[in-house]
Amino acid sequence: QLQLEESGPGLVKPSETLSLTCTASGASISSITYYWGWIRQPPGKGLEWIGHIYYSGSTYYNPSLKSRVLISVDTSRNQFSLRLSSVTASDTATYYCARLFLIGSRGDFDYWGQGTLVTVSS
Amino acid sequence: QSALTQPASVSGSPGQSITISCAGTSNDIGRANLVSWYQHHPGKAPKLMIYEVGKRPSGVSDRFSGSRSGNTASLTISGLQPEDEADYHCCSYAGSSIFVFGGGTKLTVL
Repeated sequence: QLQLEESGPGLVKPSETLSLTCTASGASISSITYYWGWIRQPPGKGLEWIGHIYYSGSTYYNPSLKSRVLISVDTSRNQFSLRLSSVTASDTATYYCARLFLIGSRGDFDYWGQGTLVTVSS
Repeated sequence: QSALTQPASVSGSPGQSITISCAGTSNDIGRANLVSWYQHHPGKAPKLMIYEVGKRPSGVSDRFSGSRSGNTASLTISGLQPEDEADYHCCSYAGSSIFVFGGGTKLTVL
């Protein structure tokens, strides 16, 4: 059974860079079947897709965040990471990592972490 | 890419059926079968309930069903139970490796 766990600072100052890591257990990040994604939910709002990555390193980003986002993968540690630069208060959200089943006629996030709240404040 | 449109809240009594709509465009919901629905109890990990418009993952109750008409997808929950009270989010592939979510719907079981 796949488990995903997000980790990283819960408080980030404005203009700095938010960094989170997602550690997978119970399955390999190097699977050719899946991608690995980040989604966030600001307080009181809906979910927002941030981007996803393949084990080979190919990345796909939300156009509205593309200039500030970097997603990377470390297959040796079975982890993938998110960096979001120049953060503002509007980046305050619960950040989720998830496995993306994107093959054939499927395009869905079938496993999620529990999420981690990141607050942007001085 | 604009977010999909869901009602902010719906409610129903135990045993009743409810339907949550998710309105999009021909660029997302209307383009392919890559529509999914997620159940989210606050503080817990979101759970995939429906994929490919109307398919259920193993272990998901058949009380949950999905459908699509044109550019609008729908999630129907029949025989409402107290544990169904949660937030529900729709999601669609929008081409060019882009995904878009709805604003979420809070389901209250009266």
